[in-house]
Amino acid sequence: LAKTTQPISMDSYEGQEVNITCSHNNIATNDYITWYQQFPSQGPRFIIQGYKTKVTNEVASLFIPADRKSSTLSLPRVSLSDTAVYYCLVGAAASGGSYIPTFGRGTSLIVHP
Amino acid sequence: GAVVSQHPSRVICKSGTSVKIECRSLDFQATTMFWYRQFPKQSLMLMATSNEGSKATYEQGVEKDKFLINHASLTLSTLTVTSAHPEDSSFYICSARAAGPLGEQFFGPGTRLTVL
Repeated sequence: LAKTTQPISMDSYEGQEVNITCSHNNIATNDYITWYQQFPSQGPRFIIQGYKTKVTNEVASLFIPADRKSSTLSLPRVSLSDTAVYYCLVGAAASGGSYIPTFGRGTSLIVHP
Repeated sequence: GAVVSQHPSRVICKSGTSVKIECRSLDFQATTMFWYRQFPKQSLMLMATSNEGSKATYEQGVEKDKFLINHASLTLSTLTVTSAHPEDSSFYICSARAAGPLGEQFFGPGTRLTVL
C-alpha cells in the first residue's frame, strides 16, 4: 500500500506556475499516480494521471522521474479559482493488482491576487 | 469526464434515526464503488469498498453493522448510516471506478449529514 507525502500548504500568486511534489517511496510496479483537486464541500475532481515520464493535458502537467518515487503536479499560470486542496493518489490500474485508493493529507494551495 | 451523482446532497436527522445515501454512476458502469468520510479540514478517509453483487470490504475501525453498504447494480451503491448519532455528522463522498485499462475513479459531489 503506497503511502504518499505532500507539503501541507503552499502559497502562490496569480499568473505564477505552481509545482506540487508528492513522495511515494513504496510505489508498486503496476501503480499509477493520479492527482485530484478538491474545493470545500465538494467531491474531488480528477486532474491528471500518469505512470512515468511526463503527461500533459489542458489544465496541468505531471512529471514522474525514472524511479517513480515521487511525482510533481505543475499548474501553469494559476488563478484565484485554483485555490483548493490537491491530493495525489497511487494505486493499481484496473488491469492488475488490488486498488485501495487511500488519500494522504493533501496540499492546500492558496492563490493570492 | 464521467458523472457520479449522490442523493441527497444534504440531510439533517434526529439522533437514533437511519439515513440512506445513494451513489449512482450516470454514464458508465462501475466495477467498484468506494465510500469515504471527510471531517472539516481533514482528508478523505476510506470507509469501504464495494463490488456489485458481493459484500463490501470495510476498512479497519469502520463498523459494518452501522454503515450498511448495498451495491445492487453496476450503477448504484447505497450507504445507510444506522442509528445515527451526532458524531456521525460528516461529509460522505462516494466514488465509482470505471472498467477499462486505467480504471479512472470519479467522485460524487458528496452528502453533508448533520445529526442533531
